[in-house]
Amino acid sequence: AQSVTQLGSHVSVSEGALVLLRCNYSSSVPPYLFWYVQYPNQGLQLLLKYTTGATLVKGINGFEAEFKKSETSFHLTKPSAHMSDAAEYFCAVSRGDNAGNMLTFGGGTRLMVKP
Amino acid sequence: EAQVTQNPRYLITVTGKKLTVTCSQNMNHEYMSWYRQDPGLGLRQIYYSMNVEVTDKGDVPEGYKVSRKEKRNFPLILESPSPNQTSLYFCASSYQGAAEAFFGQGTRLTVV
Repeated sequence: AQSVTQLGSHVSVSEGALVLLRCNYSSSVPPYLFWYVQYPNQGLQLLLKYTTGATLVKGINGFEAEFKKSETSFHLTKPSAHMSDAAEYFCAVSRGDNAGNMLTFGGGTRLMVKP
Repeated sequence: EAQVTQNPRYLITVTGKKLTVTCSQNMNHEYMSWYRQDPGLGLRQIYYSMNVEVTDKGDVPEGYKVSRKEKRNFPLILESPSPNQTSLYFCASSYQGAAEAFFGQGTRLTVV
């Protein structure tokens, strides 16, 4: 079975500050990992994904995440927060051997950006 | 434009009145799934389908039904809705189980 834990249901940063959203996963097989963003009253939009290869992945809007197998982590970062980054962020995992049934999500982290 | 379309976006209904939320995708994806989103719980999978006529339970299937008679459509049926099914529902599709999922805009359901 797979699971995802997002540390911190709410994170608040000042505009221009570093954004760090934490995600830890468990998986019995090599995982594929994803970060999604949800803006108010909208569906989920893919930010970035890790499948195989380079462990540092870059996504849209200046976000990036690093897959650390030894720490079972996939934390999301952005060097400088913008007001437009305020949203809810979800980390998700799927089975890299494609034997699974789509994504398992974490509980989400709501990012607030203060002027 | 590649998309997943859900209808309706908003629905208020009464306990026990059967309802259907439709979902359609135009990407020829094999996999489709329904999730419900509740505060603090993230998205939890209700049912999924790996192909036409192949469906299976997710983590929270009680009180829901699905069918997959055509590849593009995957309706969610609540035969006797109850207030604990008040939630935000998302339909998603992907070309394989491990791949990124594409989501609809969501259906906010209130059962009174």
